[in-house]
Amino acid sequence: DADVTQTPRNRITKTGKRIMLECSQTKGHDRMYWYRQDPGLGLRLIYYSFDVKDINKGEISDGYSVSRQAQAKFSLSLESAIPNQTALYFCATSDLAGRGGETQYFGPGTRLLVL
Amino acid sequence: AQSVTQPDIHITVSEGASLELRCNYSYGATPYLFWYVQSPGQGLQLLLKYFSGDTLVQGIKGFEAEFKRSQSSFNLRKPSVHWSDAAEYFCAVEVLEGGSEKLVFGKGTKLTVNP
Repeated sequence: DADVTQTPRNRITKTGKRIMLECSQTKGHDRMYWYRQDPGLGLRLIYYSFDVKDINKGEISDGYSVSRQAQAKFSLSLESAIPNQTALYFCATSDLAGRGGETQYFGPGTRLLVL
Repeated sequence: AQSVTQPDIHITVSEGASLELRCNYSYGATPYLFWYVQSPGQGLQLLLKYFSGDTLVQGIKGFEAEFKRSQSSFNLRKPSVHWSDAAEYFCAVEVLEGGSEKLVFGKGTKLTVNP
């Protein structure tokens, strides 16, 4: 079984709809991240969480919200989807060894199309 | 501001040829540097990372990278490319911002391998 799973893998929705993307991990990591990937732009950080009570905005948080329901679960919501939120979304996890340089482990991605 | 530049958007090589993917970073402190690979339809996987010590780092799948502080570079190399290496490659630098470590990714280099 995969260590980091994302559901759904693909989603088509309409402008104005609320949508939630879910991420679960079995790695026991405290840190979780949401990124979006757009062609030619690489990955950009949306939100991150270093533990259940810690939520932080990333580079492009406008239009998104998150919920850390448990150590293993981190959900990303689009309250009112718009077409320029069409992208590939990745969840990632990492552990904290206290020195930096920790590897991030990525889920397989959710491809979202907003019509 | 911290940034990562991958000057080549797309590179094509023949199977068996050598490969070098370029990465330059901008970060004031000693960097933690990473190369990730994204195979088609997959999430990102760590190839290798540098955070101290020997400036030539060995990774998985026969890849290596060399950290050159004087050139602010961390180029990825492989002596003989295989068709399965066709993928998109991302360089990343870990930055410390607001007391939190985060990854800043380059925009990626897509590798095509010709038979």
